[in-house]
Amino acid sequence: NAGVMQNPRHLVRRRGQEARLRCSPVKGHSHVYWYRQLPEEGLKFMVYLQKENIIDESGMPKERFSAEFPKEGPSILRIQQVVRGDSAAYFCASSPGQGTNYGYTFGSGTRLTVV
Amino acid sequence: AQSVAQPEDQVNVAEGNPLTVKCTYSVSGNPYLFWYVQYPNRGLQFLLKYITGDNLVKGSYGFEAEFNKSQTSFHLKKPSALVSDSALYFCAVRDGNGGFKTIFGAGTRLFVKA
Repeated sequence: NAGVMQNPRHLVRRRGQEARLRCSPVKGHSHVYWYRQLPEEGLKFMVYLQKENIIDESGMPKERFSAEFPKEGPSILRIQQVVRGDSAAYFCASSPGQGTNYGYTFGSGTRLTVV
Repeated sequence: AQSVAQPEDQVNVAEGNPLTVKCTYSVSGNPYLFWYVQYPNRGLQFLLKYITGDNLVKGSYGFEAEFNKSQTSFHLKKPSALVSDSALYFCAVRDGNGGFKTIFGAGTRLFVKA
């Protein structure tokens, strides 16, 4: 019974390159959330997606960042033209529904380092 | 807008002693409250939640949390700390009146000394 799978676990990119982070939710979960954790800081909400729809992207920078959750396949968080400030741990979580009493299942995160 | 405050960056406690990790929240509707734990280089693990009902909620690993509506608090507690409880703890809140975004506190690092 696999949980939320994120890959890669570690990603190193040079400034200006693209970073692509993948998240496969728990089987049967159709709601995906992306959070960013900067060193010694808490989790910051980035985006909430359902299959083929972005529900709330209020926490995602307007430029260079995008997210998708296609009908088939994992959710993708894409960061274009990465800068050193993008270095962080990116966590994906999923839930079975939008109901407010659902806790989240988190993945182990992708640690992005921009050199 | 909803928010969560964890006033302590770090809590130190001796093994065997009771521990408390504090959390206060602000939300316009009914609060749905959660605690998560994060071990080094790992994702967050769900500990417990308060949706409705009894103010004292019991969760995983012997943890419990007390919901106090008048003080808008949801402190995490454990009667007897273990060294293995040392980790980063996050409080989170969601607006129960139709909200779907969960907001996390900055985290409190718990150190349990043997």
